[in-house]
Amino acid sequence: KAGVTQTPRYLIKTRGQQVTLSCSPISGHRSVSWYQQTPGQGLQFLFEYFSETQRNKGNFPGRFSGRQFSNSRSEMNVSTLELGDSALYLCASSLGSDSGNTIYFGEGSWLTVV
Amino acid sequence: QKEVEQDPGPLSVPEGAIVSLNCTYSNSAFQYFMWYRQYSRKGPELLMYTYSSGNKEDGRFTAQVDKSSKYISLFIRDSQPSDSATYLCAMSATSGTYKYIFGTGTRLKVLA
Repeated sequence: KAGVTQTPRYLIKTRGQQVTLSCSPISGHRSVSWYQQTPGQGLQFLFEYFSETQRNKGNFPGRFSGRQFSNSRSEMNVSTLELGDSALYLCASSLGSDSGNTIYFGEGSWLTVV
Repeated sequence: QKEVEQDPGPLSVPEGAIVSLNCTYSNSAFQYFMWYRQYSRKGPELLMYTYSSGNKEDGRFTAQVDKSSKYISLFIRDSQPSDSATYLCAMSATSGTYKYIFGTGTRLKVLA
């Protein structure tokens, strides 16, 4: 069974640009959540999507947005990039049922903003 | 004060040692507790998952939850160099939400 797939793995962007990251969840998983990981702050929750609807949202500015498609694939977008947005962006998928199911992470997309 | 506190390490131990990794938390609503292992430049990998208080064992790994003290632990027996990684604790208050709160991770190095 294929794991969570994230693309691209590495990218470099300039301040002010925007970026779109893609995530394909494990087959059958309907929930996709996104996290930002930095050395100083650790893993921070961005948002979670289930059946194309945003179900939970973290404390990030509106420059961070996401969406989920009918096949459960998800994208996140960061507009007007700032240097502080340099981080590892992790996508995680889960079945999404109300039974405390755990999340499974992809390998992440490394974003460097210069 | 962060909701979840975790000693960042690094923690260096000789091969074969018993390793104890810990997290404390402040939110008494947390009921679901997880430990993830993350190798350099990789995504976190789920190691252990526990609900409420108690112990759970899986091979060389034992997870303990003490809700009265708001303290969770991961023990690694017979540690191996391949266990060298960053260990992250994570917790959640309710089922069905994946807004997990993570510790900042403890870097572990097992010396051969």
